Amino acid sequence: GENVEQHPSTLSVQEGDSAVIKCTYSDSASNYFPWYKQELGKGPQLIIDIRSNVGEKKDQRIAVTLNKTAKHFSLHITETQPEDSAVYFCAAALFGNEKLTFGTGTRLTIIP
Amino acid sequence: GAVVSQHPSRVICKSGTSVKIECRSLDFQATTMFWYRQFPKQSLMLMATSNEGSKATYEQGVEKDKFLINHASLTLSTLTVTSAHPEDSSFYICSAAGQGFLREQFFGPGTRLTVL
Repeated sequence: GENVEQHPSTLSVQEGDSAVIKCTYSDSASNYFPWYKQELGKGPQLIIDIRSNVGEKKDQRIAVTLNKTAKHFSLHITETQPEDSAVYFCAAALFGNEKLTFGTGTRLTIIP
Repeated sequence: GAVVSQHPSRVICKSGTSVKIECRSLDFQATTMFWYRQFPKQSLMLMATSNEGSKATYEQGVEKDKFLINHASLTLSTLTVTSAHPEDSSFYICSAAGQGFLREQFFGPGTRLTVL
């Protein structure tokens, strides 16, 4: 089955700086890679996703890049703000199957 | 985006009792719903997948007789934890996926279960 590794487990970034979280996956058949933000005591919220037919996707301060050959994808947050502090999870799936395999999570702390 | 609700948000029960958690898709029809379990500071672990009108598919190691799942309609799935014990205390999260362009999963806010 699919295995997703996520690094780092914790990340502290000065407000205004950029944050990068990286994930690798094992199943070359996976073609859907969402990123979720989870705040304390709440369910995960989809913030951005990418499918394997593109290498990069951007939505305002958030971007995701995908390298299918190396089987890794990354989340980039620019101009970080205190409200970006949360736990971020990457995931991988075969689109249409919906069975997500999650990474282990990254606790992001933005230092004011 | 699509909205998924869960009820209750928090429940405390005595050991040996059963607890039912509801998951509803509020503005779309969810052909598939998923139930996850999350321990503190850990990732989400898929427990089971349910399709409307059919039996749920459980992940390896998840007791189907202990975690009863019913997906009776396109907007409602329920998880019943039977004869709950303290080790069942956890954060339970559902997600829902619809048809067409809504095949992405949308997550509920979670239910924190504490078994005394």
